[in-house]
Amino acid sequence: DTEVTQTPKHLVMGMTNKKSLKCEQHMGHRAMYWYKQKAKKPPELMFVYSYEKLSINESVPSRFSPECPNSSLLNLHLHALQPEDSALYLCASSQDRGRNYGYTFGSGTRLTVV
Amino acid sequence: DAKTTQPPSMDCAEGRAANLPCNHSTISGNEYVYWYRQIHSQGPQYIIHGLKNNETNEMASLIITEDRKSSTLILPHATLRDTAVYYCIVRVGAGGTSYGKLTFGQGTILTVHP
Repeated sequence: DTEVTQTPKHLVMGMTNKKSLKCEQHMGHRAMYWYKQKAKKPPELMFVYSYEKLSINESVPSRFSPECPNSSLLNLHLHALQPEDSALYLCASSQDRGRNYGYTFGSGTRLTVV
Repeated sequence: DAKTTQPPSMDCAEGRAANLPCNHSTISGNEYVYWYRQIHSQGPQYIIHGLKNNETNEMASLIITEDRKSSTLILPHATLRDTAVYYCIVRVGAGGTSYGKLTFGQGTILTVHP
């Protein structure tokens, strides 16, 4: 298995809702990442997990809460989002954080906040 | 992080080589150059990476200048399916909390014409 699987593919949520995005990989990768991508912009790093511990938080608002329950799974919990948080949320993984390993990206979850 | 400069857009005829340039004049000695591409509405796809030697794989070749201040990604026989945004990224080197980070710049929109 050489894929990163993200679910759901599309999500519409209200500003008072709580929802979660899920990311799964079975490549034995020990680093996992969340990126946010607005239309016609490059992906922006949000969080980095290394060996199931949060290593980097790029000053992301607390309404986004990441969780890494095990080495194969990464969640992003969403609460009280704003319409400007509508974007494509991408998950990626790599063998570890070392600079000599490429990332494998999922296809993303397209989130719309209404 | 070392920054990269790429032309915003390029065109290429189908079947011809596409040569995508990237400047990274502030790159450090232990930082790798990575190339990714993103086809519309998909997650970024790893293409190739290198440190100082030229690299080739089944997708592309990477030519890095001797002073490492610039590089060129070569797609030897471009097809319509190669139309995408191509990102040149310098990956943060070892040491410090940010090591291994992959930070995307604006990229080059490559359009392959029939």
